[in-house]
Amino acid sequence: KQEVTQIPAALSVPEGENLVLNCSFTDSAIYNLQWFRQDPGKGLTSLLLIQSSQREQTSGRLNASLDKSSGRSTLYIAASQPGDSATYLCAVSPTFGNEKLTFGTGTRLTIIP
Amino acid sequence: NAGVTQTPKFRVLKTGQSMTLLCAQDMNHEYMYWYRQDPGMGLRLIHYSVGEGTTAKGEVPDGYNVSRLKKQNFLLGLESAAPSQTSVYFCASSYGPPEVSKNIQYFGAGTRLSVL
Repeated sequence: KQEVTQIPAALSVPEGENLVLNCSFTDSAIYNLQWFRQDPGKGLTSLLLIQSSQREQTSGRLNASLDKSSGRSTLYIAASQPGDSATYLCAVSPTFGNEKLTFGTGTRLTIIP
Repeated sequence: NAGVTQTPKFRVLKTGQSMTLLCAQDMNHEYMYWYRQDPGMGLRLIHYSVGEGTTAKGEVPDGYNVSRLKKQNFLLGLESAAPSQTSVYFCASSYGPPEVSKNIQYFGAGTRLSVL
């Protein structure tokens, strides 16, 4: 059974710093990995999706990397801003035929002005 | 463009009561999902649908039923609510299965349910 872990559960950093969020998964047989953002009281918004054949994806100040063999992904946020404060979740898509994402429990990020 | 809309946003039930959560999407998506989110456990899939008239069980289906009579709507029912069903429920939709890169899931804002 796939398990997805995100450590730490919470992280606080001063505004302007670069930071890295971690995601690890136990079964490397994945098709893709996604990073989501969740604001308090809101649903999830997809930030980046990395195919299993890719090493990284970039969108603006966000860069996500994937090392499938070691079961790890990181989300790098450059020049953090207070608006980046949210919970960040990663989710993996298993092999074809299983319409199910497995989510991590998330990292709650607070950017201190 | 409303995206994915969930109603109601909040609900308090007594043990044994029943209710239906409604999810509506206006993106012509084939796939729809119901998740529950509990502290420390991440999102867990309850039921999903791969098209109008179809439903399938997810990871935690017990105590819930679903229907997809219309493509744009996915209903989640609790026939006899239990305190263990206190949670935040999210609906999501996508064009197709999650293993295809374009098929990202779009989420509703959630329904916070408390069962006393």
